[in-house]
Amino acid sequence: ETGVTQTPRHLVMGMTNKKSLKCEQHLGHNAMYWYKQSAKKPLELMFVYNFKEQTENNSVPSRFSPECPNSSHLFLHLHTLQPEDSALYLCASSPRALAGTGELFFGEGSRLTVL
Amino acid sequence: TQLLEQSPQFLSIQEGENLTVYCNSSSVFSSLQWYRQEPGEGPVLLVTVVTGGEVKKLKRLTFQFGDARKDSSLHITAAQPGDTGLYLCAGYYGGATNKLIFGTGTLLAVQP
Repeated sequence: ETGVTQTPRHLVMGMTNKKSLKCEQHLGHNAMYWYKQSAKKPLELMFVYNFKEQTENNSVPSRFSPECPNSSHLFLHLHTLQPEDSALYLCASSPRALAGTGELFFGEGSRLTVL
Repeated sequence: TQLLEQSPQFLSIQEGENLTVYCNSSSVFSSLQWYRQEPGEGPVLLVTVVTGGEVKKLKRLTFQFGDARKDSSLHITAAQPGDTGLYLCAGYYGGATNKLIFGTGTLLAVQP
């Protein structure tokens, strides 16, 4: 139990579906992140939110749309995805955004399969 | 493009053996972290090293940061099945760059 909860744990969707991933942290942190983890590739940072404001978008396609209504909740809205988007999507939080020696607290991930 | 190479990519050993995992880059880090990701879980921080040449120990795990702060190693003594998982290093580039880059990962399987 890391204090970061992701739902759903598994999601299968067609290319024309719209779905959302949800992340909630109970640690009182101010920064939240979405990472993509694909087989044999390094963890890819997608988005960073600091005090609810998006501070980084790593050239992510517009079919991924993040939303951060408050410092405890983060969503990733998915629309017209491609099969190559199938991956484990990890949410993380930290006290401040990308602050050097600071620790990232990860959720268990949402395993997404796009058919 | 900043890149963190980890080696080996995959390691399967018997319980009780020792092993070393490496994390290398051509760039200098402000700090470096090691995470372990168990199957079905997210990564969990094991250690952060900051000073060149620094050595930190966590029970049977020994972490070393290279003198030039470009590389790091993780040594496990007498591995146990509970050590099984994906080991990730993550280098932090401070200052104006302000980026945390993850390595390619080493998947360790310890057989009982």
